[in-house]
Amino acid sequence: GQQLNQSPQSMFIQEGEDVSMNCTSSSIFNTWLWYKQDPGEGPVLLIALYKAGELTSNGRLTAQFGITRKDSFLNISASIPSDVGIYFCAGQRSGTYKYIFGTGTRLKVLA
Amino acid sequence: DGGITQSPKYLFRKEGQNVTLSCEQNLNHDAMYWYRQDPGQGLRLIYYSQIVNDFQKGDIAEGYSVSREKKESFPLTVTSAQKNPTAFYLCASSIQYNSNQPQHFGDGTRLSIL
Repeated sequence: GQQLNQSPQSMFIQEGEDVSMNCTSSSIFNTWLWYKQDPGEGPVLLIALYKAGELTSNGRLTAQFGITRKDSFLNISASIPSDVGIYFCAGQRSGTYKYIFGTGTRLKVLA
Repeated sequence: DGGITQSPKYLFRKEGQNVTLSCEQNLNHDAMYWYRQDPGQGLRLIYYSQIVNDFQKGDIAEGYSVSREKKESFPLTVTSAQKNPTAFYLCASSIQYNSNQPQHFGDGTRLSIL
């Protein structure tokens, strides 16, 4: 099955820095979701996006639905140690109800 | 508290053995899903169920079986035909399959081979 490309695959950042990651596809998507997964646990939904160009925030997290509908972006401002984990995007392709998941961005925060 | 409960947290399988992973939800969701997660990969869909007494194969159904006899329960059996079963298995649910509603996940079961 198709998977989404997430970038970067992993990143180390200093506490307090801002973080950006993205998810891209060659297909058009109707919905984008962003999840965070801690080690040994299930993914937890962070933000859901439903319209091209939509910008939605959840605390220090902001996500955007790309205007081409082929990508989405997640930003974390002023990172803290508990931001450590794997961030996954998921997209629902136009004309289908199945969600396709990205390969994840592993974030490590250095105190 | 509403949520999705997966059990057990860890499971070991012997050669030639079938094992069953439990998934229960009290969110009153119609749709339920099973995914497999391997290191460095995205989630891959094994089976999904749109409604009670219905289920459909996902992308990697070979060697797995499911049932959906009750709305709140969607157990996954990993059969001996699945030659590489070691993985982290995640169950999810959503309000409806035919919608853009997000999926919510349980905390997973890690399956290993003895």
